[in-house]
Amino acid sequence: QQQVKQSPQSLIVQKGGISIINCAYENTAFDYFPWYQQFPGKGPALLIAIRPDVSEKKEGRFTISFNKSAKQFSLHIMDSQPGDSATYFCAASISTDKLIFGTGTRLQVFP
Amino acid sequence: EAGVAQSPRYKIIEKRQSVAFWCNPISGHATLYWYQQILGQGPKLLIQFQNNGVVDDSQLPKDRFSAERLKGVDSTLKIQPAKLEDSAVYLCASSLTGSGRQFFGPGTRLTVL
Repeated sequence: QQQVKQSPQSLIVQKGGISIINCAYENTAFDYFPWYQQFPGKGPALLIAIRPDVSEKKEGRFTISFNKSAKQFSLHIMDSQPGDSATYFCAASISTDKLIFGTGTRLQVFP
Repeated sequence: EAGVAQSPRYKIIEKRQSVAFWCNPISGHATLYWYQQILGQGPKLLIQFQNNGVVDDSQLPKDRFSAERLKGVDSTLKIQPAKLEDSAVYLCASSLTGSGRQFFGPGTRLTVL
């Protein structure tokens, strides 16, 4: 019940396309859902986060869509760029404390 | 603003040896986390400190792993003795209490031969 399932494992997108990564959870007590971006040799960095009282949050080219009834949330990257090539992790926690991470999605954006 | 510092960046040891990792969090961040990230997986929380007290160490293999955070600032994570399955990147993160935003260091890549 503490798991966060993430898909796909890898994603190849052409420059300018839309990248979509999906996550699902079971624990309805989760109330904080961040997405982290990780480049090779670096630690993860917070990209965008959402709480379950809203269904969508947008920051620049990055949007989180949240479906509370389905217990799913997704990251959309609009106008994907080669610089977006990285591994993306969804996560969930109760009261912003202990983060449970998904297994990661390796995104490659080709020019 | 300086980020989370970790050292060493890389470490290679043989099984049954001991190893220690050091972390210096962002100044003013009371909460400090140690994560283990095995290749191809997401980070897994090992231990969380609030100042110099342990908040959660439920996933720390206490027979071989230990961690401390003296004076509520720097922290060290030790493995003794190491096993092959301990090969991973060990990430340190810090945050302001209750902020939700965790800042990660670059990690220490441990290889156990």
